[in-house]
Amino acid sequence: SQQGEEDPQALSIQEGENATMNCSYKTSINNLQWYRQNSGRGLVHLILIRSNEREKHSGRLRVTLDTSKKSSSLLITASRAADTASYFCATDLNYQLIWGAGTKLIIKP
Amino acid sequence: GAVVSQHPSRVICKSGTSVKIECRSLDFQATTMFWYRQFPKKSLMLMATSNEGSKATYEQGVEKDKFLINHASLTLSTLTVTSAHPEDSSFYICSARGAPTSLEGTDTQYFGPGTRLTVL
Repeated sequence: SQQGEEDPQALSIQEGENATMNCSYKTSINNLQWYRQNSGRGLVHLILIRSNEREKHSGRLRVTLDTSKKSSSLLITASRAADTASYFCATDLNYQLIWGAGTKLIIKP
Repeated sequence: GAVVSQHPSRVICKSGTSVKIECRSLDFQATTMFWYRQFPKKSLMLMATSNEGSKATYEQGVEKDKFLINHASLTLSTLTVTSAHPEDSSFYICSARGAPTSLEGTDTQYFGPGTRLTVL
């Protein structure tokens, strides 16, 4: 069953702009993870944020987690054409990931 | 970083035949592997959880006799789609979670590149 819900479903921005994607979930979690998937390819793990963390950074990526609102956001700063992909959040409880439908991000040159 | 491979990357088969997909963790031991199926809207559905040396745990609605999973070693799990039909055409992705003693730990799952199955 799907737990994570992401919005927007699709996002198209100009290269250089920031992209923000949101993820909401329904139950308790151990951690929340963000993944990227290029068209027709496998998933690449981006960031894991634990339930007791509020913010995490990795390069141009910033992830926040609000457990009171059961939501997370992924911010990609200074976007590049290579960031064009689908982005998924997944919640982890007892080591099984429950996925959202993803956000399709298109970076226009 | 940890690498998970899948083979084949793409397979086309006739209806009624069986197809085996391999998932390997190349540089770490994976006590648990997961099999996912990706639907056209690109959401992932967990099919089953495979623990080394024991029977796989299937999610509700997934036919265990149709999707046979074997996890014979800490680095290999296989998914066999038996008597494949066109509706089984999909993108199948495996992931592996590191053993507790491995450097990768157990929190992060590493994904294979996926296998595109087309059943004619």
